[in-house]
Amino acid sequence: AQSVTQLGSHVSVSEGALVLLRCNYSSSVPPYLFWYVQYPNQGLQLLLKYTSAATLVKGINGFEAEFKKSETSFHLTKPSAHMSDAAEYFCAVSESGGSYIPTFGRGTSLIVHP
Amino acid sequence: NAGVTQTPKFQVLKTGQSMTLQCAQDMNHEYMSWYRQDPGMGLRLIHYSVGAGITDQGEVPNGYNVSRSTTEDFPLRLLSAAPSQTSVYFCASSYARTGELFFGEGSRLTVL
Repeated sequence: AQSVTQLGSHVSVSEGALVLLRCNYSSSVPPYLFWYVQYPNQGLQLLLKYTSAATLVKGINGFEAEFKKSETSFHLTKPSAHMSDAAEYFCAVSESGGSYIPTFGRGTSLIVHP
Repeated sequence: NAGVTQTPKFQVLKTGQSMTLQCAQDMNHEYMSWYRQDPGMGLRLIHYSVGAGITDQGEVPNGYNVSRSTTEDFPLRLLSAAPSQTSVYFCASSYARTGELFFGEGSRLTVL
């Protein structure tokens, strides 16, 4: 069975600081991994996805994530936070060869201070 | 581009009432799903469909019904609303099993 753990329900950074949002997954088969962002009162939109190609994945708005199989992690980073990055971020995993239905983490709220 | 359209955006029900949340997509996606979002719980899968005429249960299916008579539409029915069903509901579609999910803007439901 697949599962996702996002460490920290809230992460607070200053504008210009490094953003690091943590995601660990559990999967019995090679996983597909996703990061989604949700701005207030909106639906989720894809930031980036890993589907067994390059382990370092670049997404929109300057975000990137690295797949580390040995650590079962897929942490999301951005070198310099902007005020507009304040949102809820969700990590998701789906299993190749299974139902492919993704399981979502509980989300991490990113707060950006001026 | 309409994408995934959900209606209504807001709804208030009394306990015991029934209603249908509508979801339509114009991208010819085979996969469609319904999630509910509650504070601190992330998104939990209610029901999903891998094509017209095929539906299956997700993590939290009790109290909800779905049908998929066409590729475009995937309505979610609340049979007898309960306060525990107060939530924000999201419909999503996908073009492939490993592809990204496209979400609607959500339907906020309050059950009194």
